[in-house]
Amino acid sequence: DAGVTQSPTHLIKTRGQHVTLRCSPISGHKSVSWYQQVLGQGPQFIFQYYEKEERGRGNFPDRFSARQFPNYSSELNVNALLLGDSALYLCASSLGTRSDTQYFGPGTRLTVL
Amino acid sequence: AQKVTQAQTEISVVEKEDVTLDCVYETRDTTYYLFWYKQPPSGELVFLIRRNSFDEQNEISGRYSWNFQKSTSSFNFTITASQVVDSAVYFCALQYGGATNKLIFGTGTLLAVQP
Repeated sequence: DAGVTQSPTHLIKTRGQHVTLRCSPISGHKSVSWYQQVLGQGPQFIFQYYEKEERGRGNFPDRFSARQFPNYSSELNVNALLLGDSALYLCASSLGTRSDTQYFGPGTRLTVL
Repeated sequence: AQKVTQAQTEISVVEKEDVTLDCVYETRDTTYYLFWYKQPPSGELVFLIRRNSFDEQNEISGRYSWNFQKSTSSFNFTITASQVVDSAVYFCALQYGGATNKLIFGTGTLLAVQP
């Protein structure tokens, strides 16, 4: 079975622009979570979606938003990009909401100039 | 507060040496889960192990073994006879009670295995 897929792989944007990152979960997984990993740090939780509803949100500004579609794929949107938004954005999928193991995709590396 | 500490920033060993990566966690919850992930240079986090708070048995999987001790809030990871392919950043993570499956990660340990 295919693992978690993410697109695009790399992205370069300028300050103030908007970006959309996409994630497709493992088949059968209904939960998708997004994490931001700044260079040299561990991943930080941004959002969790389960059955198209937001189940959790990390300490990120309202410029960050996400949604989940009926096929359980997900989009992460970031508005008004700042230089500090440069990071690796990781998507993880799991069967359900709590305690299930999360499997990560390859990530999208976003560079904001 | 929920927290994971990986005090070792970088470890360098020579191939075939054994190496232990330390992980100390903090949580007030009685039910929680601990994880180890491997992040090679490609960037993808690879799942290695999941352990719940009620299971303190040590686990061995090939050259990998894990030592979970609730008394010291530690969940250490040992690689026996290390290989160059083990070179990566290793993250310990905590998942505690709540409505979400949020993982709290440590800052990671960079393991460099020299040939």
